Amino acid sequence: AQSVTQPDIHITVSEGASLELRCNYSYGATPYLFWYVQSPGQGLQLLLKYFSGDTLVQGIKGFEAEFKRSQSSFNLRKPSVHWSDAAEYFCAVGARQAGTALIFGKGTTLSVSS
Amino acid sequence: NAGVTQTPKFQVLKTGQSMTLQCAQDMNHEYMSWYRQDPGMGLRLIHYSVGAGITDQGEVPNGYNVSRSTTEDFPLRLLSAAPSQTSVYFCASSKTRLSEQFFGPGTRLTVL
Repeated sequence: AQSVTQPDIHITVSEGASLELRCNYSYGATPYLFWYVQSPGQGLQLLLKYFSGDTLVQGIKGFEAEFKRSQSSFNLRKPSVHWSDAAEYFCAVGARQAGTALIFGKGTTLSVSS
Repeated sequence: NAGVTQTPKFQVLKTGQSMTLQCAQDMNHEYMSWYRQDPGMGLRLIHYSVGAGITDQGEVPNGYNVSRSTTEDFPLRLLSAAPSQTSVYFCASSKTRLSEQFFGPGTRLTVL
């Protein structure tokens, strides 16, 4: 069965510093991969997604993620974090077979210090 | 476009009561899902639907029922509420199974 692991429950970075949030998936073939962000008290918003092709994908708000098949990873990065990036971030996996839905990781909470 | 709407925003129930959480979308999306979010557990899929008249179970379906009589609406029914169902519930819709999911604002449910 497919699964998603986000190893870091909580990360704190300084404003202006770079950010990398880790995501590892378990799936027999190349899955569809997503990163969502949830601001406090809000629903989730899509940051970016990977289906195929270029393994480095660009998203909104200056985020990017790199798919590494050999490591079963899809880590989210941002070169310079802003205070408004403080939120909870979810990695999600979608199987290619029809009739299934996304599986979400447990999330990583990002705090930004000044 | 209102997007995905959920009612109510907050609800307090007593153990054993039943209720329906409403979800509607006006984007003509085929795919709709219900998730619950609990601290440290991420989002767990309860039920989902790939179109009107078609529903299937997700990861944590026990204690919940769904139906999809129209493309727009996807209500979630709690049959006999239990304290373990205290959670924040999110409804989501997407054009296809793997396109961007649009989330509603959530319903915060407390079962006493």
